[in-house]
Amino acid sequence: DVKVTQSSRYLVKRTGEKVFLECVQDMDHENMFWYRQDPGLGLRLIYFSYDVKMKEKGDIPEGYSVSREKKERFSLILESASTNQTSMYLCASSLPASQGIDTQYFGPGTRLTVL
Amino acid sequence: QKEVEQDPGPLSVPEGAIVSLNCTYSNSAFQYFMWYRQYSRKGPELLMYTYSSGNKEDGRFTAQVDKSSKYISLFIRDSQPSDSATYLCAMTEYGGATNKLIFGTGTLLAVQP
Repeated sequence: DVKVTQSSRYLVKRTGEKVFLECVQDMDHENMFWYRQDPGLGLRLIYFSYDVKMKEKGDIPEGYSVSREKKERFSLILESASTNQTSMYLCASSLPASQGIDTQYFGPGTRLTVL
Repeated sequence: QKEVEQDPGPLSVPEGAIVSLNCTYSNSAFQYFMWYRQYSRKGPELLMYTYSSGNKEDGRFTAQVDKSSKYISLFIRDSQPSDSATYLCAMTEYGGATNKLIFGTGTLLAVQP
């Protein structure tokens, strides 16, 4: 059974804190993604990675960075958390497009609140 | 204009009803179309996946793509309370380096027992 896990289901942080969100997949997928999901705005892509140490900006990368040191792990970093980063964060993984179009498998999400 | 438009609902139907969920899109290069189901406080999970135009059926679910109208639909027959969830359409081109999906905003469905 495919599995994408995220380090926390709920997280509360203070403005200005550095926040780490961790995602691990056990499917040996090359591609990994970070989204945020907000009411009325749907899923918006923050960053994605198509290989270890490779990353590309998505649609809303400002205020975020990512790290992918190992194939199975993709971290999202909020350098200095702000209240407008309060959201549901979803991690996903997939096979590369070279192996055919494949679905993205999602983790359960981390609901982050920044006070 | 968003690349993918989806009515957010909420859509409330009685148990046993036929449900129709829809998305429109503007990018004619989209070729792969997916429907994800997301239960409350969970991540999205793939429900249906179609390529190009046509219909695909899986149990009570039918996905339909009309590329000429840039319109996709998901039909749920004999809807059940367990179908209550947010339904997200997603689509992608072919030939890119990654499987980057463009999502609709989701339609919240409530099936009343």
